[in-house]
Amino acid sequence: EAQVTQNPRYLITVTGKKLTVTCSQNMNHEYMSWYRQDPGLGLRQIYYSMNVEVTDKGDVPEGYKVSRKEKRNFPLILESPSPNQTSLYFCASGDRGHNIQYFGAGTRLSVL
Amino acid sequence: DAKTTQPNSMESNEEEPVHLPCNHSTISGTDYIHWYRQLPSQGPEYVIHGLTSNVNNRMASLAIAEDRKSSTLILHRATLRDAAVYYCILRDSGNTGKLIFGQGTTLQVKP
Repeated sequence: EAQVTQNPRYLITVTGKKLTVTCSQNMNHEYMSWYRQDPGLGLRQIYYSMNVEVTDKGDVPEGYKVSRKEKRNFPLILESPSPNQTSLYFCASGDRGHNIQYFGAGTRLSVL
Repeated sequence: DAKTTQPNSMESNEEEPVHLPCNHSTISGTDYIHWYRQLPSQGPEYVIHGLTSNVNNRMASLAIAEDRKSSTLILHRATLRDAAVYYCILRDSGNTGKLIFGQGTTLQVKP
């Protein structure tokens, strides 16, 4: 079954404590992306990756890092989380033409 | 990026057809029209996309106006499981894959 898997689904942490949200896809997709969803602001792209070792900033990259060492994995790293990063995060992957993108179930993060 | 305009909310009765409109008057010739939906507590889900011609798949139909300034997503028989937020998105064929989600249309389906 085609899947984008995010972990954890829920996370509560404190300001400044580094965390990583993992994302894995089993469709051999080249394209992967991270979004955050906030009330009234919709989904906004954080980072994306067109292929292994190729990453680029989206619209709201500040405070986030990503890496793409393997095709299937695209972790989102918050080196020093702050309360304004409390949000619902989605990972997505797509084929070369990225006409169809598949989204994970989401990670709800609370930074206290 | 060209913008889309959708009604904030719509209601439908179960097993009746639903027509969800989208206006995109500034669409360019290379913009594809994509529809995604987001069910409660889930990630967005691809529904359908098209460029100029009407499109059908197992989930829905997409009717595109001749001037491409508007389109309509058609759910042929709404079920309770179709209650979701539906997003109409324009995507340039040459872009980075970014999907620009607006506020979407919240569809309520009544039994």
